[in-house]
Amino acid sequence: KAGVTQTPRYLIKTRGQQVTLSCSPISGHRSVSWYQQTPGQGLQFLFEYFSETQRNKGNFPGRFSGRQFSNSRSEMNVSTLELGDSALYLCASSRTIGGRNTIYFGEGSWLTVV
Amino acid sequence: GQNIDQPTEMTATEGAIVQINCTYQTSGFNGLFWYQQHAGEAPTFLSYNVLDGLEEKGRFSSFLSRSKGYSYLLLKELQMKDSASYLCAVYSGAGSYQLTFGKGTKLSVIP
Repeated sequence: KAGVTQTPRYLIKTRGQQVTLSCSPISGHRSVSWYQQTPGQGLQFLFEYFSETQRNKGNFPGRFSGRQFSNSRSEMNVSTLELGDSALYLCASSRTIGGRNTIYFGEGSWLTVV
Repeated sequence: GQNIDQPTEMTATEGAIVQINCTYQTSGFNGLFWYQQHAGEAPTFLSYNVLDGLEEKGRFSSFLSRSKGYSYLLLKELQMKDSASYLCAVYSGAGSYQLTFGKGTKLSVIP
């Protein structure tokens, strides 16, 4: 059973540029969430998509956006990159089975802004 | 508001037992997750507690007390490979799979 797949794994961008990250959830999982992880702030929730609709959004500026496609794959976009956007971006795939919630993470995309 | 506290660092000896505590104060609660994260890697699922009590899974056990806003992760027979960060995360429910994470506990296992 394939896990959560994120691409690209590593990327370097320049301040002011924009970046798009992709996430393919576990087959059958309709929810995809995005998190930003930095040494100082830990893991912080960006947003969650379920059946192509944004269900919840964290406290991040509008430069951070996302979408979900009909096959549950999701993308997140960061525009006008700032140095502080350098982080590990994690995607989580979720589903409730038999009343128990399962939330699994992908390998992450390491973004460095220079 | 959301507040989840864990010790920043812990050190334990190979073969020993270690308990990592997590206290939480959140506006909603529908369960608590524990994840393990090795440096440079993604968090991997360890446990999920919804009801009070202890859940055991091999060398790892997790305990929850909802009335006290408290959980712990117990690691037995420590191995060097257990050196990692351990993340406590509260699932609030309310129509979303959003998790609120603590800052994580970095565990170092020494020979």
